[in-house]
Amino acid sequence: GAVVSQHPSWVICKSGTSVKIECRSLDFQATTMFWYRQFPKQSLMLMATSNEGSKATYEQGVEKDKFLINHASLTLSTLTVTSAHPEDSSFYICSARDRQGPTYEQYFGPGTRLTVT
Amino acid sequence: GIQVEQSPPDLILQEGANSTLRCNFSDSVNNLQWFHQNPWGQLINLFYIPSGTKQNGRLSATTVATERYSLLYISSSQTTDSGVYFCAGKPNSGGSNYKLTFGKGTLLTVNP
Repeated sequence: GAVVSQHPSWVICKSGTSVKIECRSLDFQATTMFWYRQFPKQSLMLMATSNEGSKATYEQGVEKDKFLINHASLTLSTLTVTSAHPEDSSFYICSARDRQGPTYEQYFGPGTRLTVT
Repeated sequence: GIQVEQSPPDLILQEGANSTLRCNFSDSVNNLQWFHQNPWGQLINLFYIPSGTKQNGRLSATTVATERYSLLYISSSQTTDSGVYFCAGKPNSGGSNYKLTFGKGTLLTVNP
């Protein structure tokens, strides 16, 4: 149980285009999902908290107009990188907590590797 | 925000050796978790351990919440244990939505 999927697992796009990444909780419902970014050989940096049915909460320094987050249902959150540039190339990871789980344990997706050329 | 310090940053072991990884927090935390990031980037949940001791096979973890640290023990290490180990926690005071703060990780290499 407690499986989180991401799609796509990797994507290459041209500079100036937009890319959408999906995060799904497969066997549980999540009112809150999280989006992280990880650069090579570094730790995970929280970008934003995705709240079902309401606006996302962005961390300081993260451009909300560039990283659009939509949490349309209890099992799906999407991250859209708009007008992507090479500096947006990174590994993006989502996580979710089972809203009916007995603990606050979070489960992570396998990540999406974005390369902007 | 809280600071999460992991030690050692790098660790090289021979197969079969034991090791202890440490995680210190600058403030009290709950929702403390240990993860193993495999070579493909997937974070695998090892332990959810806000306090106390848990064991799962060759791995065990202990969290002393009052002292603001947690330890991860790996016994009889195997090459498949290689990867980065992260700890993360949510501050007890302030914050919401279960946000986790991650340490910088320990890179473990187990040689055959």
